Amino acid sequence: DAGVTQSPTHLIKTRGQQVTLRCSPKSGHDTVSWYQQALGQGPQFIFQYYEEEERQRGNFPDRFSGHQFPNYSSELNVNALLLGDSALYLCASSLGLAASSYNEQFFGPGTRLTVL
Amino acid sequence: AQSVTQLDSQVPVFEEAPVELRCNYSSSVSVYLFWYVQYPNQGLQLLLKYLSGSTLVKGINGFEAEFNKSQTSFHLRKPSVHISDTAEYFCAVSDVDQGGKLIFGQGTELSVKP
Repeated sequence: DAGVTQSPTHLIKTRGQQVTLRCSPKSGHDTVSWYQQALGQGPQFIFQYYEEEERQRGNFPDRFSGHQFPNYSSELNVNALLLGDSALYLCASSLGLAASSYNEQFFGPGTRLTVL
Repeated sequence: AQSVTQLDSQVPVFEEAPVELRCNYSSSVSVYLFWYVQYPNQGLQLLLKYLSGSTLVKGINGFEAEFNKSQTSFHLRKPSVHISDTAEYFCAVSDVDQGGKLIFGQGTELSVKP
């Protein structure tokens, strides 16, 4: 089992550009969540995808968008990059979206995005 | 709104000494509580979790945590640390009814010295 994988591992962009980050969930998982971790901070929830739909969203602008494919993999897109978007972007996968139950999230190693 | 406060940003400790990393949370609803560890240049690994039942939970690598509802705390402890425990530790909370959205604290850097 390869666990959660993310690509690329590192990425350098300039302000105003657009970026796409990719995530493959752990085998058997169907739910993907994305988090942004700025340097020296805890991760912040961006959004969650289940059944190819955005189910929950954190306090992030519309420049952040995502997609989930039929094979459950997911992409995070960020438009009009700002210097403040520089961070480690973490993907987490879990099984199901049932309320009032616990579905453990497994995290990938992250993609380090640097915006110059 | 939920929030998590980790009371110490850095905790230096000598090898084989006990350690406690403190975490307080704020929430008006029932929550699940977690501790994650992050080693340099890696993702997050779940150390332990509180879902319900016994307030003392045991996790991997000899760590344990105690849920205190009246004090809204979930402090992490280890009786004897190793050099390999040097890492960043994050406390997190999840609303029972929100399908897994995690709210993290700012992190505590544990530095174990020989």
